This record gives sequence, C-alpha cells and structure tokens, in this order.
Amino acid sequence: DGGITQSPKYLFRKEGQNVTLSCEQNLNHDAMYWYRQDPGQGLRLIYYSQIVNDFQKGDIAEGYSVSREKKESFPLTVTSAQKNPTAFYLCASSIPSDSIGIQYFGAGTRLSVL
Amino acid sequence: AQKVTQAQTEISVVEKEDVTLDCVYETRDTTYYLFWYKQPPSGELVFLIRRNSFDEQNEISGRYSWNFQKSTSSFNFTITASQVVDSAVYFCALREYGNKLVFGAGTILRVKS
Repeated sequence: DGGITQSPKYLFRKEGQNVTLSCEQNLNHDAMYWYRQDPGQGLRLIYYSQIVNDFQKGDIAEGYSVSREKKESFPLTVTSAQKNPTAFYLCASSIPSDSIGIQYFGAGTRLSVL
Repeated sequence: AQKVTQAQTEISVVEKEDVTLDCVYETRDTTYYLFWYKQPPSGELVFLIRRNSFDEQNEISGRYSWNFQKSTSSFNFTITASQVVDSAVYFCALREYGNKLVFGAGTILRVKS
C-alpha cells in the first residue's frame, strides 16, 4: 500500500539532546512537509521540500533541521536549540505541480521531554 | 497575510443531530484553494474536500456538505445525522502560493451516543 510512514510513534528527548524523526513515503511525491501541532494552535509549518536536495524554512524553523537526500525520505532533527519541543509532529507529501495541491499525511510522532 | 479562523474550539452533539463547523479565511489572492481535513484519535489527517475560488457550487458527499461563500469568505462544513465515528478534530486550510497550507486552529467535534 502507498503511504507515508513516520517513526517512531512516541519519542522522548533528554535536555541537550538532538533527536531525529523519520518520514518515508512511497507515493512518488516530489514535495514533502513537516508540521508541528500544539493543542489549540492547529498545524504550523516547520520545513518543506519541493525537490530532492532542496528545502525551505517554514514559519517556525528555529531549532529544527532537515535533509532531503532521497525523494522518499525527509527526516527532521529537533536540536537542543529548540527549547519547547514537546508537540505532535506530522509529515506530509504532495505533487507540487499538481494544481489540486492535496497533501497526504503520516500518522505522526509524539515528542516529549524527559 | 493568509489566515484561517475556526472560531468554534469544541462542539458537542448527540448522535443524529446535524452540526455545522465554521471556517472563515483571509487572502489577497484571487485564485486560491480551500481544504477540510479530519483528524481522528489515531492522529493522521485525512483529506475530505478541496474547493477552488472559482467554484462556488456547494458540494454534498453522503452525510457531508460544504457551503462556500466568497462574499463572506466562508467555507463551512455540515455533517447531517452525526454519528459517533464523526468524533474528531476538523481542520480548515487555505493553500498559499508554493503549495503550502495555512491551517485553522481546528474544531473538536464530540458526538455522544
């Protein structure tokens, strides 16, 4: 089945530690996105990538980093500079040239601080 | 700047009641796209509908219907004869140039049996 796989489902971070969230898609989509979801605030865009080896900052990129070395993979690293990392993180993908612009989402990773 | 407002934080209804979720948007673009997504307790966002700014026809899909009114910048979502399985968080979103989505804060819908 085609889809987006995020792992792990739950992740705990110790203070000062970097952690990496995985996002893999087999939909053959060029564009991928990372969102952060906090209670009562909807989803906010962290980073997005329209094509391999290229990515742009979203609205809340500080304290996060990404890479896009392969079309199917878009890992997100939450660095120690992110002082409030506890949130639900969602990865999505889409066909950027598609005028419909529908984004398809993974099941998310819930990150907590120990 | 693009903005989406979902003023209803939480709605509770009894099964079989009809319920309308409100969405108001702001944009300076003449061409834009609006979306509704459903987020069940499992966490994954599920696409429900897309509407472009040139198509103001209302749409019905089973128990779901959408009312798009450019004059009031609203894109409201109605569930007829609600069911317990409709319990979820519902997000309205506006597509920006470059295929980025701007989301509203979401409305929690609780349907009680």
